[in-house]
Amino acid sequence: QKEVEQDPGPLSVPEGAIVSLNCTYSNSAFQYFMWYRQYSRKGPELLMYTYSSGNKEDGRFTAQVDKSSKYISLFIRDSQPSDSATYLCAMSAPTGNQFYFGTGTSLTVIP
Amino acid sequence: GAVVSQHPSRVICKSGTSVKIECRSLDFQATTMFWYRQFPKQSLMLMATSNEGSKATYEQGVEKDKFLINHASLTLSTLTVTSAHPEDSSFYICSASWGGAETQYFGPGTRLLVL
Repeated sequence: QKEVEQDPGPLSVPEGAIVSLNCTYSNSAFQYFMWYRQYSRKGPELLMYTYSSGNKEDGRFTAQVDKSSKYISLFIRDSQPSDSATYLCAMSAPTGNQFYFGTGTSLTVIP
Repeated sequence: GAVVSQHPSRVICKSGTSVKIECRSLDFQATTMFWYRQFPKQSLMLMATSNEGSKATYEQGVEKDKFLINHASLTLSTLTVTSAHPEDSSFYICSASWGGAETQYFGPGTRLLVL
């Protein structure tokens, strides 16, 4: 079983839709959870960072962590064509120096 | 804050030559830097992790004599692809973190094409 599972998509939505991106994981030691956005031919850009469980909101983006279910989500409200990218989840534990990435979900927002 | 740069952004070289890619953390001290490789439409593949002043730790299957990593200072790490061949053509991305490594920040990537 992989440490982190993420549906690769592709996911295609109309402009203005609410997008839900998800990852599941198996290691209960993970405490730090991140979402990155990667445009084609660019390095990943950190979008959201969450410690432990709970919600975090930043503009149109909301990150949720449910440690009891080992499930994290990224919601994008009022999606825009500029949101079209690959979204990667990542997580790490307090000890060690290893990060575990999902395979990425490709999102296209259609005008 | 937390800006990571890479140089060059794109390089084309002949087979058999060596290529050096620089990764710099511009506004923080990076105790750890990571090097990734990414093929088109595929996810990141971790190649190695380097801590400042220490030898890099390579992932299984990555040839350390082929991909030389140096992390000589808290703001600079270099990846040298030695005797590059066409199969080494890829997108190479570095990232950097500090302290407890709660997160990492990525550079913009370097596209390598070996002819």
